[in-house]
This record gives sequence, C-alpha cells and structure tokens, in this order.
Amino acid sequence: DQQVKQNSPSLSVQEGRISILNCDYTNSMFDYFLWYKKYPAEGPTFLISISSIKDKNEDGRFTVFLNKSAKHLSLHIVPSQPGDSAVYFCAASPNTGNQFYFGTGTSLTVIP
Amino acid sequence: GAVVSQHPSRVICKSGTSVKIECRSLDFQATTMFWYRQFPKQSLMLMATSNEGSKATYEQGVEKDKFLINHASLTLSTLTVTSAHPEDSSFYICSASPVNTRTGELFFGEGSRLTVL
Repeated sequence: DQQVKQNSPSLSVQEGRISILNCDYTNSMFDYFLWYKKYPAEGPTFLISISSIKDKNEDGRFTVFLNKSAKHLSLHIVPSQPGDSAVYFCAASPNTGNQFYFGTGTSLTVIP
Repeated sequence: GAVVSQHPSRVICKSGTSVKIECRSLDFQATTMFWYRQFPKQSLMLMATSNEGSKATYEQGVEKDKFLINHASLTLSTLTVTSAHPEDSSFYICSASPVNTRTGELFFGEGSRLTVL
C-alpha cells in the first residue's frame, strides 16, 4: 500500500516560471518530510525538508509547504531553470523511527 | 558531500544463483543503512533497515530469507539476493544516514541493476 503518493508522473514548465510538485500521504504518524532530486544514473540527492511543526520551509529557490490537515505537501521551485529538470521524489518519515517512505516521483522538465 | 558507493552497478545472473550487492559509506559512519527496490516507473520501495551489529528490520511483504542483509561494520552493508529468479530483476539502491542525524541527510548510492535470466 503506497503511503506516499505523487499523482503527477510528469510536469513541464517554461524556464523562469514556477514549478509546483505535489505529494500526498496517508499515514498520520509521518512527521518529517523531505524532497529528493534524482538525475538519470545517479542516486537521489537531498533537496529540502520540513518538520510537522512547520508549514513552510524555504531554501533559495525551493520552498516546501506542508498542510497537515490535508496530509499534503508541495515543492515550489521559482524561478525554474533547465538544470532543475530531474525526477523529484517526496519522502516521509514516521515519528516512530527513521525509515523513509518515498512517493513515485515526478519527472520535471524545464523548457528553455 | 558524503559519498555512498554501491557495487556492482550492474549484474546479470542465472536463475537460481545468489547475488551480493555492497553498500559502503566512504567518508562517514552509518549505524543505519536502508535498502530500496525500484520497479520501472514506480517508487523507491523501502525493503529493509539495516542496523550495524544487529538484525535488519524488514518491511512487510519483504522475504528476509530471500533478501539477506548484513551490516557488518559502520561503513558497509550488504544485500544478498538468494536463489534469484527473473521476478527479482530490479534496481536496488541503498542509502545511509550519518550517525545521530535525522536531518534528512540521507545519502544514496548510485544503485545496482540486477537482471536475472
């Protein structure tokens, strides 16, 4: 049973515009969320995280928003750049341990 | 940044044989490593949590006798796919977390693609 879901397998955005990637989860025990970026033939790399005590975390062009009541988080990239083209995974960790459960990924293409 | 090395990156084996995949943290110690499996166009599925010096914790539905995990040191975890079958063909990826951190600084290996003929 998929506890973390990314319902959009792909997204195309024009360079300079905002990219919004969405993620939903079902397990109310999740209290720590992360976004990873993955290029082909490489392992995922950590991008940004957010704890359930916050509803927003910002790091440069990347902002993650968390809506606990809706069990939904999103990653905003603004402005989007061609180098941002990659697969983005969201992941969640329960307060009972440090395992991370991943969504299915969203392939972002930023068009120059 | 921290580096996690996985070996081999690709392996092809005959059905019925066993295959070992190594995951090493090159510049940090990891008491915990994680093993994932990724099917085409699907999520990274957590298989098991590997703890140094103790038995691995397997996720529901993962056969522990088929996927043997050994975490012999703070820098090495191994996944052995025993008596491999074609349905075990997949992309296996490990990650490691530096000791005493929960900041999300999981570092991933580059993955190992297993093909069972």
